[in-house]
Amino acid sequence: GAVVSQHPSRVICKSGTSVKIECRSLDFQATTMFWYRQFPKQSLMLMATSNEGSKATYEQGVEKDKFLINHASLTLSTLTVTSAHPEDSSFYICSASPSGGAIIQYFGAGTRLSVL
Amino acid sequence: AQSVTQLDSQVPVFEEAPVELRCNYSSSVSVYLFWYVQYPNQGLQLLLKYLSGSTLVKGINGFEAEFNKSQTSFHLRKPSVHISDTAEYFCAVSGGNTGNQFYFGTGTSLTVIP
Repeated sequence: GAVVSQHPSRVICKSGTSVKIECRSLDFQATTMFWYRQFPKQSLMLMATSNEGSKATYEQGVEKDKFLINHASLTLSTLTVTSAHPEDSSFYICSASPSGGAIIQYFGAGTRLSVL
Repeated sequence: AQSVTQLDSQVPVFEEAPVELRCNYSSSVSVYLFWYVQYPNQGLQLLLKYLSGSTLVKGINGFEAEFNKSQTSFHLRKPSVHISDTAEYFCAVSGGNTGNQFYFGTGTSLTVIP
């Protein structure tokens, strides 16, 4: 089956530093990848939609300069949390849709970010 | 725009008892419906999906769901739960006029009591 790998699974960083999270589709090409944020005991909130080779589309209220998204290839998208602060601590999950499909999304295992 | 409502935030149930997790959606056009399960500190795993065809959909781990267009519902059911079913369950909708974006419900925490 389709596998999406997300790395790292957990990261702890100091306030003011930047953190990069990778999302890879291992056995399929993903034209579109999505980034979600999940607060404790809450649902997933879509942050942005990433299309290979073009700029990401951010949801309302999500800071583009804060959460940098790059989708350089059909199998890799990255989310960089710049100048992280404690309020950025959260669970970040990516998903990927196979090229030409778009109905189905396959999810990564998530990244637990803790900013001290 | 689509939206999803999961009325029950927490559902405790005894082992081997049946369970139903409720999901209602709002959309003026045809949509696709999904149920995902999330175990602690993990990503989402697809349980089942409705795209078209038969309204009764069977998924993994013995779960099934029925699409009811008139009631705009997609309730998840299992006739006999196990301890290992304890997890968070999310209903999601996509399609229609928002393309492949997913909209998730707030989740239902299922706790199976021994």
